Amino acid sequence: TQLLEQSPQFLSIQEGENLTVYCNSSSVFSSLQWYRQEPGEGPVLLVTVVTGGEVKKLKRLTFQFGDARKDSSLHITAAQPGDTGLYLCAGRYNTDKLIFGTGTRLQVFP
Amino acid sequence: NAGVTQTPKFRILKIGQSMTLQCTQDMNHNYMYWYRQDPGMGLKLIYYSVGAGITDKGEVPNGYNVSRSTTEDFPLRLELAAPSQTSVYFCASSYSGLAGVYSEQYFGPGTRLTVT
Repeated sequence: TQLLEQSPQFLSIQEGENLTVYCNSSSVFSSLQWYRQEPGEGPVLLVTVVTGGEVKKLKRLTFQFGDARKDSSLHITAAQPGDTGLYLCAGRYNTDKLIFGTGTRLQVFP
Repeated sequence: NAGVTQTPKFRILKIGQSMTLQCTQDMNHNYMYWYRQDPGMGLKLIYYSVGAGITDKGEVPNGYNVSRSTTEDFPLRLELAAPSQTSVYFCASSYSGLAGVYSEQYFGPGTRLTVT
């Protein structure tokens, strides 16, 4: 069974601070996705990364896929209260199923 | 498009009762999924379907059953509810055309189930 570990599990910061969330596995992903989930709603896709070493930017969010395709990171610059939510990574291991990470709950205070 | 819709939004069951969680998508997606999410955790795959008439088990299928008679609908059945099935259940759908190419998964709003 593949496991995706996310760290940290919880993050509570002030508006304007930077943060990084990590997603790690012992297995190689064929692709990896990051989702954000707000309370009472389903997850919404932020980005998909496919190539080792790939970097994608989405406004203040920067996503990086590890060279060996076993890990990924999400960096948020100058966090805002609207960034508050549960961040989930989800990896695909050459199958038609996604394995979701354990999640990082982010709280950004004004 | 309504996307993925789920009913009911909330339900309280007594131990041993049965119920069906409904899921419908109007995007003509071939793949559909059922996940459960325990408090503060990620999602665990219960069952999924690659098309009408075809279903397969995920990570945590015990205590659940599914069917896929149409492309649009993918109901999840709990036969004998247990407290361990207290969770939030999400249905999702996606499209896969060429081998190994999958679209993003679109999620419904979830069903919050409590078994007491």
